[in-house]
Amino acid sequence: SAVISQKPSRDICQRGTSLTIQCQVDSQVTMMFWYRQQPGQSLTLIATANQGSEATYESGFVIDKFPISRPNLTFSTLTVSNMSPEDSSIYLCSATLRGRVTEAFFGQGTRLTVV
Amino acid sequence: GDSVTQMEGPVTLSEEAFLTINCTYTATGYPSLFWYVQYPGEGLQLLLKATKADDKGSNKGFEATYRKETTSFHLEKGSVQVSDSAVYFCAPLPEAGNMLTFGGGTRLMVKP
Repeated sequence: SAVISQKPSRDICQRGTSLTIQCQVDSQVTMMFWYRQQPGQSLTLIATANQGSEATYESGFVIDKFPISRPNLTFSTLTVSNMSPEDSSIYLCSATLRGRVTEAFFGQGTRLTVV
Repeated sequence: GDSVTQMEGPVTLSEEAFLTINCTYTATGYPSLFWYVQYPGEGLQLLLKATKADDKGSNKGFEATYRKETTSFHLEKGSVQVSDSAVYFCAPLPEAGNMLTFGGGTRLMVKP
């Protein structure tokens, strides 16, 4: 299994500023992902974090707004840039381990409020 | 692409009632199937999983059976508790992929 540590757990930010969320995994994972969960909604995949190269973004998400880094196998960051109130959401880091059964693990999430 | 149709909530039950949350999916190949739970103010936790047809995943009194013929993975519990109040997400994981596709989530509210 894998334990994912995500920080900060919550933050309140001023519009126009940026916040960087960190995700650390305690195992050698194969894939890392970032999801957004807007209030009362399901999870939407933002991007796949690729080690040592640019992340792969889903439709509707762009690098300028959500820059992602993954300098090694077990660590990734997501930055929410130039924030507006519409960015208020829970952001979740996820990782998969490929073994006998592929399984996805999640961090506790970062609850972001933009005022 | 893969998709998940999940029973809409909120589902409100009295303590000790029987719970069913329906989930059907479309996916190529032979996905693994997961139920995740999100308790108030927390992140996602894996509740149970099944990896092949007719497998039954179980945990904390919850069960779900992988039904390939009906492409379903319905979540059941014989007697719910107030502490089961949470949002439940159904998610298939493609056989050759790594990304989960989440259902819309079903909020369960259990009253004493």
